[in-house]
Amino acid sequence: KAGVTQTPRYLIKTRGQQVTLSCSPISGHRSVSWYQQTPGQGLQFLFEYFSETQRNKGNFPGRFSGRQFSNSRSEMNVSTLELGDSALYLCASSLRDRQFFGPGTRLTVL
Amino acid sequence: SQKIEQNSEALNIQEGKTATLTCNYTNYSPAYLQWYRQDPGRGPVFLLLIRENEKEKRKERLKVTFDTTLKQSLFHITASQPADSATYLCALDEMDSGYALNFGKGTSLLVTP
Repeated sequence: KAGVTQTPRYLIKTRGQQVTLSCSPISGHRSVSWYQQTPGQGLQFLFEYFSETQRNKGNFPGRFSGRQFSNSRSEMNVSTLELGDSALYLCASSLRDRQFFGPGTRLTVL
Repeated sequence: SQKIEQNSEALNIQEGKTATLTCNYTNYSPAYLQWYRQDPGRGPVFLLLIRENEKEKRKERLKVTFDTTLKQSLFHITASQPADSATYLCALDEMDSGYALNFGKGTSLLVTP
């Protein structure tokens, strides 16, 4: 089976813009989670979607949002970008308590 | 406040020795604890999961222990190899349903020949 894929792999935006990241889970996995990874804070949980519904949410401002489609693919959106949003955004799909991570999208905000 | 602490300093060991990494947590009641490996520029890769009612889990050269009284997990790699060099992350999940992993910041392991 193909692994978790994320697009784009790299992205450069300026402050105030918005961005949409995409994640395709492993076939058959219905849960998709998003994480933000920075050198200072490490890996932090953003939210989890299951069957098109947000099931869990981390402690991030409302500028961070997501959705899941009927084919389990997921997108996350960050509006009004800030410099501190520069990070590696990781998506993971889940099966039986294990999470399978994608390669991430490296977002740089200038 | 909730914390997951891992050795912040890199661990350097010689090939063939056993590497032991520590994960301590406070103010969590985890349903299970997981260990992941992360290589530079890549997403984490799942290694082992241990549940709150399990004391020890093994997989090939890997061993994990989980002490809910001490609020600590130890991760051992026996007969370490240079290919084991990576950052190792522990993660806890308290959720009754779904997934919301809380990660430590990881320990960097360097195995030298």
